[in-house]
Amino acid sequence: AQTVTQSQPEMSVQEAETVTLSCTYDTSESDYYLFWYKQPPSRQMILVIRQEAYKQQNATENRFSVNFQKAAKSFSLKISDSQLGDAAMYFCAYGSSNTGKLIFGQGTTLQVKP
Amino acid sequence: DVKVTQSSRYLVKRTGEKVFLECVQDMDHENMFWYRQDPGLGLRLIYFSYDVKMKEKGDIPEGYSVSREKKERFSLILESASTNQTSMYLCASAVRQNHEQYFGPGTRLTVT
Repeated sequence: AQTVTQSQPEMSVQEAETVTLSCTYDTSESDYYLFWYKQPPSRQMILVIRQEAYKQQNATENRFSVNFQKAAKSFSLKISDSQLGDAAMYFCAYGSSNTGKLIFGQGTTLQVKP
Repeated sequence: DVKVTQSSRYLVKRTGEKVFLECVQDMDHENMFWYRQDPGLGLRLIYFSYDVKMKEKGDIPEGYSVSREKKERFSLILESASTNQTSMYLCASAVRQNHEQYFGPGTRLTVT
């Protein structure tokens, strides 16, 4: 069975600085997807970035980028030029190509200090 | 924009009551999902559905059932609510081959 682990329950970053959130996963599948979702306080969960496992190039989305290390089964999220609006809980998720199901990590709460 | 709506943001029920949580999506997505979110545990899949009248158990289906009579609507049913079902419930939908899920705002259920 697949598992996703986020080892940092809480992180904090100074506004305008860079922060990296860690995620590791375990799977025996070769074809899968990885996602980072953001859940602001009392607001809806939204997709931040996605990565297809077959792509070697790391995904980027404006200030958000990932470091995908397939052999190490690691998928970290880097947030550059952090803004107050980035404060949220971030979830790493593994998506099986076979089933379409997502498996989520425990979440990391990010605090952005002004 | 994809819109996923849930019938209630907050709900308080008594132990033993039958509880219905409704979810509606407006983008003709084939796949729909129900999760519960608890601190330190992330999101855990309760049930999902690939098509109308089809359902599959997720990781924690005990105490829950679902209904999908129309493509756009996916209901979660707590047959006899218990205090350990106090949680945040999130609904999501996805295009079958895309795997990217779109979430509703959540229902915070308290069972007393």
